[in-house]
Amino acid sequence: EAQVTQNPRYLITVTGKKLTVTCSQNMNHEYMSWYRQDPGLGLRQIYYSMNVEVTDKGDVPEGYKVSRKEKRNFPLILESPSPNQTSLYFCASTGQDEKLFFGSGTQLSVL
Amino acid sequence: GNSVTQMEGPVTLSEEAFLTINCTYTATGYPSLFWYVQYPGEGLQLLLKATKADDKGSNKGFEATYRKETTSFHLEKGSVQVSDSAVYFCALTPLGDSSYKLIFGSGTRLLVRP
Repeated sequence: EAQVTQNPRYLITVTGKKLTVTCSQNMNHEYMSWYRQDPGLGLRQIYYSMNVEVTDKGDVPEGYKVSRKEKRNFPLILESPSPNQTSLYFCASTGQDEKLFFGSGTQLSVL
Repeated sequence: GNSVTQMEGPVTLSEEAFLTINCTYTATGYPSLFWYVQYPGEGLQLLLKATKADDKGSNKGFEATYRKETTSFHLEKGSVQVSDSAVYFCALTPLGDSSYKLIFGSGTRLLVRP
């Protein structure tokens, strides 16, 4: 089954404690991206990757890092989380015809 | 710049009612347009898309027509079901953008009552 897998689903942490949200896809897609979803704002792109070792900033990259060492994995890294990064995060990979496949989301709370 | 504006929700309807969710956009040229649906506790799923003017996207009884003259892509369904309760997002891909980035509207929550 084609899918994008994110972990964890829920995460509570404290300010400044580094964390990583993992993302993996099994569709051999080249393009992957991270979005955050906030009430009233819809989804906004954080970072994207067009292939292995090729990443670039989206609309709201501040405070985030990504890496793409393998085609299937695209982790999101928060080196020093802050409360304004409390949000619902989605990983996505893009297939043919610009169709995005989304993971189930990670609800992050930074205290 | 590029942007998408959706009607604010929640939209509350009785089962079998007619649904319209308005979406208008601002973009250079003719972007691809999408509707995505998010069911409770899940990620977004593509519902339908249209890639050029006057195209009609359709899926699961939903449809939307790409109207360049009004820069709109309104979502419609003739008879909603309780299972259609979800959040609906209108989105566009900017023309010529190699990043495949989607620009999303803020989402419209639909609640269908039995």
